[in-house]
Amino acid sequence: EIVLTQSPGTLSLSPGERATLSCRASQTVRKNYLAWYQQKPGQAPSLLIYGASIRATGIPDRFSGSGSGTDFSLTISRLEPEDFAVYYCQQYADSPLTFGQGTKVEIK
Amino acid sequence: EVQLVESGGGLVQPGGSLRLSCAASGFTFSSYWMNWVRQAPGKGLEWVANIKQDGSEKYYVDSVEGRFTISRDNTKNSLYLQMNSLRVEDTAVYFCAGGEGWLVTSWGQGTLVTVSS
Repeated sequence: EIVLTQSPGTLSLSPGERATLSCRASQTVRKNYLAWYQQKPGQAPSLLIYGASIRATGIPDRFSGSGSGTDFSLTISRLEPEDFAVYYCQQYADSPLTFGQGTKVEIK
Repeated sequence: EVQLVESGGGLVQPGGSLRLSCAASGFTFSSYWMNWVRQAPGKGLEWVANIKQDGSEKYYVDSVEGRFTISRDNTKNSLYLQMNSLRVEDTAVYFCAGGEGWLVTSWGQGTLVTVSS
């Protein structure tokens, strides 16, 4: 099983600031099949990034993903009020599919 | 527009059973891998199981293997999760989710399963 470790657990930032979230895998994620999801309270997750760096349909370009192998990151270039949420990485290369434990981006 | 609507959640005693359903619309259901993903109260996401478009392949997380069964009926655009021998630690919101491969692109709003005596 591929274990995904996200850091930090919580990121306290102000609107307009840059956020960088990390996701480290316990083994290589084949084909860079790494996705990022955003979840707001009381809502289902929504897909932001797949293939480590490809923005999903309708996702603004302030969201970007990078990385390969075992080290991945999600960057939000300038935080908007609606971006304060919990972010999960997930690998979809091997079964069982696994998620990281999440990073909460909160308003400072 | 893709719509996934879960139903069947509720309160059940430990050791009991429950069957979740997910009604799909707005897309070609038979072309999607479908998944169940759960989230315990205040916790993160955990993938539970998935099923291939034609039902010929099914995969489970170890913690539910042998207790849960995923199935689908493409004639009814529906996904199911039969949950037996339920444990307190199975308490969670269960999301129906799908995509054309193993990447999950669409999610339902979830149904709450509470296992408690």
